[in-house]
Order: sequence, then C-alpha cells, then structure tokens
Amino acid sequence: AQSVTQPDIHITVSEGASLELRCNYSYGATPYLFWYVQSPGQGLQLLLKYFSGDTLVQGIKGFEAEFKRSQSSFNLRKPSVHWSDAAEYFCAVGGRAAGNKLTFGGGTRVLVKP
Amino acid sequence: DAGVIQSPRHEVTEMGQEVTLRCKPISGHDYLFWYRQTMMRGLELLIYFNNNVPIDDSGMPEDRFSAKMPNASFSTLKIQPSEPRDSAVYFCASSLSLAGVHQETQYFGPGTRLLVL
Repeated sequence: AQSVTQPDIHITVSEGASLELRCNYSYGATPYLFWYVQSPGQGLQLLLKYFSGDTLVQGIKGFEAEFKRSQSSFNLRKPSVHWSDAAEYFCAVGGRAAGNKLTFGGGTRVLVKP
Repeated sequence: DAGVIQSPRHEVTEMGQEVTLRCKPISGHDYLFWYRQTMMRGLELLIYFNNNVPIDDSGMPEDRFSAKMPNASFSTLKIQPSEPRDSAVYFCASSLSLAGVHQETQYFGPGTRLLVL
C-alpha cells in the first residue's frame, strides 16, 4: 500500500530564511508526487507536482521540490520565506497503479517569525 | 472557472439529524473526490467517482455515510444520522483524467466545516 511520511509536524522559520520540508513516500511503481498548501480555514492549493522528466520541479510562490527516487523523497524548498508562507503543507503520492487515488501525508505546519 | 464549489461552508447540527453536503466540480472534470479532515486522522479519502460512477468507497466510515453523483456537475455526501464524531472539515475535489496520464491534479474546494453537537 502507498504511504507518505512527513517527519516534521511543526517547523518554525524566520522571515527571509530558507525552508525545507521533508517528504518520504512508499509506492510500488512510478509515483506521481504533489505538494499542497492549506492556509487557515481554506482548502488545499496545489504548489507543484511531479509526474516525470526533470526531477527538480518549480512551483508557484517560489517553491521547488526535488524527486529523489533512491531516497524515496520529494522534499519541498523555498530559499527565502515570507510571512504569508505560514500555513500547513501536505505531500501526496498517487499513480497509475493507484487508480486516481492520492495518499496524503500528515502535514507540516510552518510558522514564520518576524 | 469558479473552481470547486461546496455548500454550505459551515454546518452546525444536533446528533441524530441528517446532514447533506454539496459539491459542484470544475466543469469538464470527470473525477470527483470526497475527503474528510480531522486533527486526529488527517486527510482521508472517503469516496471517489469517475464519470458519475462510484469507483472506490472503501474509505466511507460506515453505513451512515452515503454519496451520490446524479450528474457531472453535482454531488452530495449525506450523513444520517449524524454523530459528534463526524465533526470535521469535508472537502470535495475534482480532476481531469488525461489520455496516458491517469492521475492528473486534484483541485480542492474550500471545504464544509461540520460540527455535530
């Protein structure tokens, strides 16, 4: 069965500092990988996705993620965090073998200090 | 496009009452998903439809929960009777399958926050 682990429940980062959120997945075939962001009281918004090709993926709001098959990881990064990046971030995995089902990680809540 | 639309945005009801949540997917999307989000269990897939047909309802917690999709532009999730442990945020999402890429991006609605007293 597929699964996603986000090891960090909370991360606090200073505004302007870099951010990296970890995501490890388990999937028996070629994965499709996603990062979503959820602001308080809102739905989930897609930040970026990886289906194939270049393993470094650029997304919206200055985020990027790198797919590393050997490590079963898809970590999210941003070089300089803004106060508006405070939110909860979810990594998800799916693929052809899973039909159209996504499995989400438990989320990482990011707090931004002024 | 207006995105995925859900109603109501908030619902407060008493235990034992029937609750109906509604979803309008993005026009042209052929997949529709219902999720539940709680602090304890995170984001759980309840059921999903393809071309209005339920494909996988293994995540539906019990018989009190039912979902329908009478047409391509409307779906409901019903809880009857409701219980306090059903309190959660319920999300609807839709996606478009592309030839050769079975899994495309899911777009989420704003959610319905349900409180059962």
